[in-house]
Amino acid sequence: NAGVTQTPKFRILKIGQSMTLQCTQDMNHNYMYWYRQDPGMGLKLIYYSVGAGITDKGEVPNGYNVSRSTTEDFPLRLELAAPSQTSVYFCASSNLSGSSPLHFGNGTRLTVT
Amino acid sequence: DAKTTQPPSMDCAEGRAANLPCNHSTISGNEYVYWYRQIHSQGPQYIIHGLKNNETNEMASLIITEDRKSSTLILPHATLRDTAVYYCIVRGFNAGNMLTFGGGTRLMVKP
Repeated sequence: NAGVTQTPKFRILKIGQSMTLQCTQDMNHNYMYWYRQDPGMGLKLIYYSVGAGITDKGEVPNGYNVSRSTTEDFPLRLELAAPSQTSVYFCASSNLSGSSPLHFGNGTRLTVT
Repeated sequence: DAKTTQPPSMDCAEGRAANLPCNHSTISGNEYVYWYRQIHSQGPQYIIHGLKNNETNEMASLIITEDRKSSTLILPHATLRDTAVYYCIVRGFNAGNMLTFGGGTRLMVKP
């Protein structure tokens, strides 16, 4: 049972480059989330989705875009990478129940130089 | 969602119980208390959650006060592998059931 899978594990980008962080889950969860975690800090919500075709902004959405064309996949797009986006990115999912826990992936460590 | 307050760090001797407190005085009636932990830079790991009653699973126990304004996570026999940052989170039913992470408690289990 794979759970939540994120790729790549590590990436170095130059300023202004773009990339897509991939996230897929095999638990048929409706809700999916993207968080970022800066060194020594807690997680901050970037975007979330309550189902295929539906996305919404979280606490820190600027500089990012998402899409949710299928239940399984929730990619995060960085269009013009900036040093402030250097962080560890975590994807998570949960089912429809309001009391269900989130399941996290192991993260993508991104450095922008 | 209600905010939580946790001590920034705690120590615990290996084999002893670790009791991690959390204050959530503004919690509302339909909000659950969740505990997660994060070991090194791995993804957060779900531990336990509860609404009103105390809960226990294979990892930990959760004690919620009667007024629900605070809770305690208990690791009954802490091991070195329990060294991690522990997050107490209050989660409601709004806005896609978002989890809002604070700073957490860094638990150091010592031999």
